[in-house]
Amino acid sequence: DTAVSQTPKYLVTQMGNDKSIKCEQNLGHDTMYWYKQDSKKFLKIMFSYNNKELIINETVPNRFSPKSPDKAHLNLHINSLELGDSAVYFCASSQDRGYNSPLHFGNGTRLTVT
Amino acid sequence: LAKTTQPISMDSYEGQEVNITCSHNNIATNDYITWYQQFPSQGPRFIIQGYKTKVTNEVASLFIPADRKSSTLSLPRVSLSDTAVYYCLVARNSGNTPLVFGKGTRLSVIA
Repeated sequence: DTAVSQTPKYLVTQMGNDKSIKCEQNLGHDTMYWYKQDSKKFLKIMFSYNNKELIINETVPNRFSPKSPDKAHLNLHINSLELGDSAVYFCASSQDRGYNSPLHFGNGTRLTVT
Repeated sequence: LAKTTQPISMDSYEGQEVNITCSHNNIATNDYITWYQQFPSQGPRFIIQGYKTKVTNEVASLFIPADRKSSTLSLPRVSLSDTAVYYCLVARNSGNTPLVFGKGTRLSVIA
């Protein structure tokens, strides 16, 4: 009974393509996030949504567009993919937007751009 | 944001207690200290969180001295399955501040 699930697990595509990653949480949490983990293993926050409202957008290129149709889903759409977009993308959720509210992460989507 | 410093890597034998210390000299009054564990090919997993003194759960203990400028994650009797990267985070209860992960400590448990 997966709490935070992402699809697909692996995504291989060519430069210039557009792709989406889906995320769903069944924990009833109000806040969801997208993080990017690069080849050096740094985890960087990209976006945060609270009750479908964007609250954090961390200097991410506008080729990345998050979409939250409801508070259980936060999808990530990426336009015009570049080589540097290759990374593992993690979706996460938390009960609320306070940072003493632990994050629950999905298992990641490994994106490879060729 | 309070910057954290922790060892890049540690090795331990099975059955030993492992203590990973994190320095956060400029921790603010409202900041909490949280530790996460990440296995290969998985997302980070919450281990423990504390504000001061000592916190213990079924997985680990967290020791925080009175000045709160450091904290120590203690893993009792580690096993091979505890091999992972451990992240120390310091953040305040404010949802508009991004939660920043550092490089973490890579713990290798040896049989």
